[in-house]
Formats: sequence, structure tokens, C-alpha cells
Amino acid sequence: GAGVSQSPSNKVTEKGKDVELRCDPISGHTALYWYRQSLGQGLEFLIYFQGNSAPDKSGLPSDRFSAERTGGSVSTLTIQRTQQEDSAVYLCASSSDRIGNTIYFGEGSWLTVV
Amino acid sequence: KQEVTQIPAALSVPEGENLVLNCSFTDSAIYNLQWFRQDPGKGLTSLLLIQSSQREQTSGRLNASLDKSSGRSTLYIAASQPGDSATYLCAVRPWNNAGNMLTFGGGTRLMVKP
Repeated sequence: GAGVSQSPSNKVTEKGKDVELRCDPISGHTALYWYRQSLGQGLEFLIYFQGNSAPDKSGLPSDRFSAERTGGSVSTLTIQRTQQEDSAVYLCASSSDRIGNTIYFGEGSWLTVV
Repeated sequence: KQEVTQIPAALSVPEGENLVLNCSFTDSAIYNLQWFRQDPGKGLTSLLLIQSSQREQTSGRLNASLDKSSGRSTLYIAASQPGDSATYLCAVRPWNNAGNMLTFGGGTRLMVKP
């Protein structure tokens, strides 16, 4: 696609429910990033995928968080048993080594846990 | 560990002023530096990317400079407009081009008053 696409754009869920957030990166981009941004805060690194290499999951805050990237393209971030502190905007980005590593972000998925 | 600082955290100027936003980083061994803007409730939009071998990049009214040895980058906005009001972030990629080690500054929140 023309840009990084994320869905849903907004999600309200009850505490304890599982949620899935989807990211469709720019076609051909080998690198995919997930960040979290809480209200008024900076960007918090969550996970990084690069090609077929093992992902860097060092930023995932707990074992309730997981992410996968199927076929080197679309990625899904899953949060199990959501808590109120998970409320934030989840931002996905992608980049390509072939064009200087410019990073392109999606519009984010706004998650509210009530 | 790389640390990125943006000063000031917030800035308010009248329309038409030329202004400078600052980004400093502690480890000069970088691959590139990228400037973004973020509008409220939106994702990040890439503005300019400067490779470590470059000293500046220009796009329209924006000019970004890089002084790697002193660990500084500046974003110059000429003839500011109310539409420039947003949060501006810089991000540094380390020398080994490791995307999972991108470091973002905390941002400068800019308001341009008509």
C-alpha cells in the first residue's frame, strides 16, 4: 500500500479481554516496528522485526504481550487479559534498507481499557 | 546507552517567526537522524532524514542540520505558520544500523499563534 496501515484505529475493550492490533507495512519494507505511546508520554519500543531474522522482543512489557509477522508482511500485536495501564496508542512503523532507512509510521491504534 | 534530549519541551511563537528546535544525543556513533512531526491524535510524519555523512537536509521551509561530533541536530523552520503547530521529535539510529536500537527524543511541542 501507499502507507503503513493500522487497524482498528480505535478500540475500547473491557479489562481482562484480549485484543489484536493489526499493522500492514509499506510493500517491500523488510523492517517493522511496534511502539507504544501513553498519553503525553514519549515513544516506548515494543518489538522489532527485520526480514527473516528472529524478532527483538526486548521491549514487550509483560508476557501478556506478543506479536507475530506472517510472510514477512502483516504483523499482529496481541495483548491478553488487558489491564487499564495498557491504554495507549500503539504505533506501527516500517522501513526499507534500500532507501536510507527512512521510517514511516501508521496513524496508530488507540486502545482504551475500561 | 544512547540518550536523546530535545530542548525546549514546549515553545510558543507568533506567526511569521523563524525558529530553531534542538536535538542532542550522547553517542556520536550514529547511522542517521530523522525528524518527525506528530499532530494530536495522529501518528508520526517523517520530515527529514540526515545520514551521518551529511551536514544538512532541506525541504521547503524546513532545514535540518547535523553536527555529529558535538552530538547535535537542529530543525530550522522559516516563516512559521499556525499549521506548523505540532510536536516535533528526533530519532537517532545507531552506527550499526540496528533498527531495534532507535532512540527517540521526548519531543518539542510547538504552538504557532496567528
